[in-house]
Amino acid sequence: DAKTTQPPSMDCAEGRAANLPCNHSTISGNEYVYWYRQIHSQGPQYIIHGLKNNETNEMASLIITEDRKSSTLILPHATLRDTAVYYCIVHSNSGYALNFGKGTSLLVTP
Amino acid sequence: DTEVTQTPKHLVMGMTNKKSLKCEQHMGHRAMYWYKQKAKKPPELMFVYSYEKLSINESVPSRFSPECPNSSLLNLHLHALQPEDSALYLCASSQGELAGPTDTQYFGPGTRLTVL
Repeated sequence: DAKTTQPPSMDCAEGRAANLPCNHSTISGNEYVYWYRQIHSQGPQYIIHGLKNNETNEMASLIITEDRKSSTLILPHATLRDTAVYYCIVHSNSGYALNFGKGTSLLVTP
Repeated sequence: DTEVTQTPKHLVMGMTNKKSLKCEQHMGHRAMYWYKQKAKKPPELMFVYSYEKLSINESVPSRFSPECPNSSLLNLHLHALQPEDSALYLCASSQGELAGPTDTQYFGPGTRLTVL
């Protein structure tokens, strides 16, 4: 699976949109972009994934650039409970490891 | 429902003890995983079971012994562990090969293991 690069930390004010970037310049054609988050001492929580089209669900939106070399996870109205480490993962193979990388530690402040 | 359950939540054991971690899912998933997460590090894969057969062992020491008694259950048997094995042990499941091009893994809450 391709590697990803994320900023180590970000801050966001409560109620504002949180935009978390991810670079994956070596992504190959059959690899999807997955986002997970991990709240302190809990298991990772699946958020969203996409191939090349933008995706939206009840938790977040995923914007993938046309060349697929980067993406942005958007939490439209961040709350204090969104404080977590967010992992951007490029993954293609069923039954294989998710390579979590270092992630972005998002702090949502009042 | 995307729930994976793990028991116990916390476990403290001595280096001579034998204990087991349990994981259960009722989503009909056919792939199950054990990950290990040390403090301030990302999760790392230990084992993968596919259709109840061990398909990946990431060179894990034999003091960790996985078992998949049926398609819903996954155990991790622990024996003669070392203090450096203290970590959060995470179980995950996914549809497996039938998922097609995407196969989302869903994680349990983890077991916090402390080895004294």
